[in-house]
Amino acid sequence: KQEVTQIPAALSVPEGENLVLNCSFTDSAIYNLQWFRQDPGKGLTSLLLIQSSQREQTSGRLNASLDKSSGRSTLYIAASQPGDSATYLCAVRPNGDSWGKFQFGAGTQVVVTP
Amino acid sequence: ETGVTQSPTHLIKTRGQQVTLRCSSQSGHNTVSWYQQALGQGPQFIFQYYREEENGRGNFPPRFSGLQFPNYSSELNVNALELDDSALYLCASRPAATDTQYFGPGTRLTVL
Repeated sequence: KQEVTQIPAALSVPEGENLVLNCSFTDSAIYNLQWFRQDPGKGLTSLLLIQSSQREQTSGRLNASLDKSSGRSTLYIAASQPGDSATYLCAVRPNGDSWGKFQFGAGTQVVVTP
Repeated sequence: ETGVTQSPTHLIKTRGQQVTLRCSSQSGHNTVSWYQQALGQGPQFIFQYYREEENGRGNFPPRFSGLQFPNYSSELNVNALELDDSALYLCASRPAATDTQYFGPGTRLTVL
């Protein structure tokens, strides 16, 4: 059974520092991996999606890498801002599973202090 | 703004009651999934609908059921509510040409 872990559970950094968020998964047979942002009590906003054949994806200050063989993905956020404060979740779609059956981690809660 | 809406925003029910939650997607989003998110946890997959048929289900009992309609709206129905059903319920839809999921803002259900 696929398990997704995000460590640390919470992180606090001063504004301007780079953020590094980790996601690990136990089964490397994945179709893709997606990073989301969630503000308190709200829905999820998709940040980046990495297909299993890709090594990384970039969007603005965000960069996500994927190493399937080691079961890891890392989300980098450059030059953090207070507006980046949120919970960040990663989700994997296992091979062979129906499209929507993503397995989520519990998330990393990020606070960026001014 | 994802174009996915959910109603109601908040709901309070008592144990044993039944509830219906609604989701409305954009035109062309022919796949919809429902998730349950307990406080401090990641979302758990409930089920998925494609062209009005259920085609994937997570580890949830049959008292969780759903419907998808031709107008890109869908429903999640929960019978015989239990205290542990208290959670944020999220729907996610996907356009036909991509793998990216678009989530709605969620419905916060409290069961007393």
